[in-house]
Amino acid sequence: DAGVTQSPTHLIKTRGQQVTLRCSPKSGHDTVSWYQQALGQGPQFIFQYYEEEERQRGNFPDRFSGHQFPNYSSELNVNALLLGDSALYLCASSPSPGVTGELFFGEGSRLTVL
Amino acid sequence: QKEVEQDPGPLSVPEGAIVSLNCTYSNSAFQYFMWYRQYSRKGPELLMYTYSSGNKEDGRFTAQVDKSSKYISLFIRDSQPSDSATYLCAMSGGSNYKLTFGKGTLLTVNP
Repeated sequence: DAGVTQSPTHLIKTRGQQVTLRCSPKSGHDTVSWYQQALGQGPQFIFQYYEEEERQRGNFPDRFSGHQFPNYSSELNVNALLLGDSALYLCASSPSPGVTGELFFGEGSRLTVL
Repeated sequence: QKEVEQDPGPLSVPEGAIVSLNCTYSNSAFQYFMWYRQYSRKGPELLMYTYSSGNKEDGRFTAQVDKSSKYISLFIRDSQPSDSATYLCAMSGGSNYKLTFGKGTLLTVNP
């Protein structure tokens, strides 16, 4: 049973560029959440998708946007990259959009902005 | 004041020691409490999950939640070098779908 898979694992961009990160949830899961983890910090909630809609959003600017597809996979897009966007971006899936918080995380996409 | 406070350590113990990790929180709406383990350059892995107050044991790991004090703990008995990782506490509750994490505590178990 495949867990949460993310791609790419590593990428380097320059300031002002745009990036798209991809996530496939664990089999049987229909809810996808995205988190940003800066070095030495805990993950910070970006947003959650359920039934192809943004269910809840954290304190991130509109440069961060997402999408969920009918097969439950998801994308995270970041426009106009800043140096401060350098972080590990984590995708997490769960079997429902409930508030229990029992999430399964992928290995993450490490973004470096130069 | 941050919603979740966690001492980042680092914490270094000898093999076989009992390890105690703690978090405090300020949001009374939190009802679900989790501990995640994160190895270097990997994603977090769910270790323990507790609803409301009380204790939960799983092998060498025990999670405790004291909602009256807004304090949660994770105990690791007979610690092993393979336990060396960052331990993140996380919480959710109310009408919130998100997890709120602590900063994580870096643990090293020395053989």
